Amino acid sequence: EIVLTQSPGTLSLSPGEGATLSCRASQSLTTRYLAWYQQRPGQAPRLLIYGVSSRPTGIPDRFSGSGSGTDFTLTISRLEPEDFAVYYCHHYDRSPHAFGQGTKVEI
Amino acid sequence: QVLLVQSGPEVKKPGASVKVSCKASGYTFTSYAIQWLRQASGQGLERVGWINADNGDTGYSQKFQGRVTITRDKSASTVYMELSSLISEDTAVYYCARDQTSYCNGDCSLNYWGQGTLVSVSS
Repeated sequence: EIVLTQSPGTLSLSPGEGATLSCRASQSLTTRYLAWYQQRPGQAPRLLIYGVSSRPTGIPDRFSGSGSGTDFTLTISRLEPEDFAVYYCHHYDRSPHAFGQGTKVEI
Repeated sequence: QVLLVQSGPEVKKPGASVKVSCKASGYTFTSYAIQWLRQASGQGLERVGWINADNGDTGYSQKFQGRVTITRDKSASTVYMELSSLISEDTAVYYCARDQTSYCNGDCSLNYWGQGTLVSVSS
């Protein structure tokens, strides 16, 4: 089974700065079935990126995804106050699907 | 708009069962699978299983095989997740979430989520 490892565990930044979050898979994904979610305290996760780099309608373009194989990245170009949250990567390449352990982006 | 509304918090004793519901609205219920996930306090997300809302086909994560049953009622546009033989480690927020793409059969990203249901297991 594929295990996703996210780094860093915590990212301490200021509004206006950029953020780069990493997600590494223990085996190469054979598809582009990799998503990213944002979770604010007390809320359900929200889909930010699917298919490695596609944004659903309504997601700001300061969020972007990239990568292939085993290494994937979520980039937030300029942090807004509402972006301080926990971010999870998620592969749905093959069963069992899995989530990373999360990266907390804090002020 | 698409909404998934889950049932309220539950408190159960070890060994008991819990059944959580997820009522869908705002889209054609039978066109999308629903997945169930859980999240223990301060922890990450873990998939429990999924159901094809059209034909009722299900898939369960190996960890929960034999203890979980996911069903649906098409007439009520509602999906249910029942977990039996509860232990304290089952204490978590349980989420239902909808496949992003129709007829994806659980092999999808998740673009709509319920509000979560806290299940507490304690003697």
